[in-house]
Amino acid sequence: KNQVEQSPQSLIILEGKNCTLQCNYTVSPFSNLRWYKQDTGRGPVSLTIMTFSENTKSNGRYTATLDADTKQSSLHITASQLSDSASYICVVSGPGFQKLVFGTGTRLLVSP
Amino acid sequence: GAGVSQTPSNKVTEKGKYVELRCDPISGHTALYWYRQSLGQGPEFLIYFQGTGAADDSGLPNDRFFAVRPEGSVSTLKIQRTERGDSAVYLCASSSDRNSPLHFGNGTRLTVT
Repeated sequence: KNQVEQSPQSLIILEGKNCTLQCNYTVSPFSNLRWYKQDTGRGPVSLTIMTFSENTKSNGRYTATLDADTKQSSLHITASQLSDSASYICVVSGPGFQKLVFGTGTRLLVSP
Repeated sequence: GAGVSQTPSNKVTEKGKYVELRCDPISGHTALYWYRQSLGQGPEFLIYFQGTGAADDSGLPNDRFFAVRPEGSVSTLKIQRTERGDSAVYLCASSSDRNSPLHFGNGTRLTVT
């Protein structure tokens, strides 16, 4: 069964600190992996998209990595800000189908 | 222009009633998706449109759920004989092609009492 597992389920860090969120998937065949940020009461917003040939992609203070061999991805947030408090969702898709498989997300709280 | 717009933002209905949820995608986006999100969960796929046609409706949970996109732009998700288990946030997303980011609306929070 195609699955996307994220860890930790929730995380609290101090403002200014770095953190790394993990995503493991079993979706096969694999086409691309996406990270989304979802603020409370809002729809998810795209952070990065990576295909199987890409190992890393950055978007400002967000850096995503991908190891297609071990089927693992991480999202690293540098110098966290209060506005980074949100759920971060890992989404994996395979070629030829549109049913993106969503993880349940990691809830990040950045505290002052 | 603006992003994906969903209306209403909140809908409370009684069990057994019929509801319609509307999605106005980004202009020019041919792909449109409906998802359902329960509290603490990731979005769950319902249906995908490419243009006017439903290219994949395998995520619709049963025949009480139906969606249309008659002119390839605005889409309506229709739920008949609502049940309390239908309560969730219904998200709509659009994209210009399958490898582009999905742009999500803020969702319609449906509560069935």
